Amino acid sequence: ETGVTQSPTHLIKTRGQQVTLRCSSQSGHNTVSWYQQALGQGPQFIFQYYREEENGRGNFPPRFSGLQFPNYSSELNVNALELDDSALYLCASSLETGAVNTEAFFGQGTRLTVV
Amino acid sequence: AQKITQTQPGMFVQEKEAVTLDCTYDTSDQSYGLFWYKQPSSGEMIFLIYQGSYDEQNATEGRYSLNFQKARKSANLVISASQLGDSAMYFCAMREKGTGANNLFFGTGTRLTVIP
Repeated sequence: ETGVTQSPTHLIKTRGQQVTLRCSSQSGHNTVSWYQQALGQGPQFIFQYYREEENGRGNFPPRFSGLQFPNYSSELNVNALELDDSALYLCASSLETGAVNTEAFFGQGTRLTVV
Repeated sequence: AQKITQTQPGMFVQEKEAVTLDCTYDTSDQSYGLFWYKQPSSGEMIFLIYQGSYDEQNATEGRYSLNFQKARKSANLVISASQLGDSAMYFCAMREKGTGANNLFFGTGTRLTVIP
């Protein structure tokens, strides 16, 4: 078990609604990254927060936004949900030093279904 | 171009046998790291093994070893003495020493099924 917890584990939303997913990072970690994993695909990087600031973003529209709190927990918000947003959303925490060997610890994910 | 390519959507292996899962990567960075993760049906990504671009020896972690061929840009995972609990999705991922976010690029994965 990694110590990274995500809530909720499952969620069903209607197209056009807004959703907030939560992630509690592992103790001592200063960075949280969010990934979207569509069915049958590998995870795709959404964005990363380092010390409460967004410091990188993948190819996702602005309706995907996030926050990181002083205790390094994080939220992912998605506005105007679309059917294609249905996916497993994974949170990963790490202690970032900029090194390529930094290990990311993943939560169990939130499975979002948009109907 | 895809940064990580996994060409085997599914693989079968007999229990106690060894299996190799393929991964090729594409980067122009000199410094990068390659990771393998296991994803059971529960969804959590479990770290298995890491290989750095400057590491001269192939990485090993218990029953997992990484066949790293830098010139061919391949980083294949070898699982020895397969167990039923090894049945899962396996993802190869890369982190580059670039600027900005220190994020992972994942392949599309290989579903491994261990047959009793």
